[in-house]
Amino acid sequence: GNSVTQMEGPVTLSEEAFLTINCTYTATGYPSLFWYVQYPGEGLQLLLKATKADDKGSNKGFEATYRKETTSFHLEKGSVQVSDSAVYFCARLNAGNMLTFGGGTRLMVKP
Amino acid sequence: DTGVSQDPRHKITKRGQNVTFRCDPISEHNRLYWYRQTLGQGPEFLTYFQNEAQLEKSRLLSDRFSAERPKGSFSTLEIQRTEQGDSAMYLCASSWSGSERGTQYFGPGTRLLVL
Repeated sequence: GNSVTQMEGPVTLSEEAFLTINCTYTATGYPSLFWYVQYPGEGLQLLLKATKADDKGSNKGFEATYRKETTSFHLEKGSVQVSDSAVYFCARLNAGNMLTFGGGTRLMVKP
Repeated sequence: DTGVSQDPRHKITKRGQNVTFRCDPISEHNRLYWYRQTLGQGPEFLTYFQNEAQLEKSRLLSDRFSAERPKGSFSTLEIQRTEQGDSAMYLCASSWSGSERGTQYFGPGTRLLVL
């Protein structure tokens, strides 16, 4: 079936450190891929997306590249801030127009 | 505010009671989705509408759950005879079928606690 696997958290970093959150998906078709971010007590905010192989999504200093050969969509940021502390979800769009999400990765950034 | 809105934001109810949640999508979006998120997990798909037609329903949507979108605008999700296992965040999202390759925009969610 369609699934998304993320690295488990929490990920704890110091401010200005480099961030990588791994995400892999099952290779069924060529799904659009997304990263969403969720702050405490809130809904999900779209962070970035990529719709085909080798596309790079980027927003607010975050980047992720659609890698078909490794079925991955890893999230990266060169220098994290305390305000980036949140839960990050990787997701794929399935043929039936529903999103399948990974389990989420909590990021904690210390000053 | 032109984003997705949900009402109420929080609901506490006793087991066995019925609850109803409302979602207002982004006005130009013709697709509307409901997801459920339990603590520490990613959201799980429940159902979706294109205009007023309900096109997909997850097996998670038991017969106690019903969703409607009567005029193709706002939607309601009703849970009858609530159980403690229904406690979760209920998220609504909307999208436009014609562009953005299905990008879904989420509302703030309704957090349900069943006592």
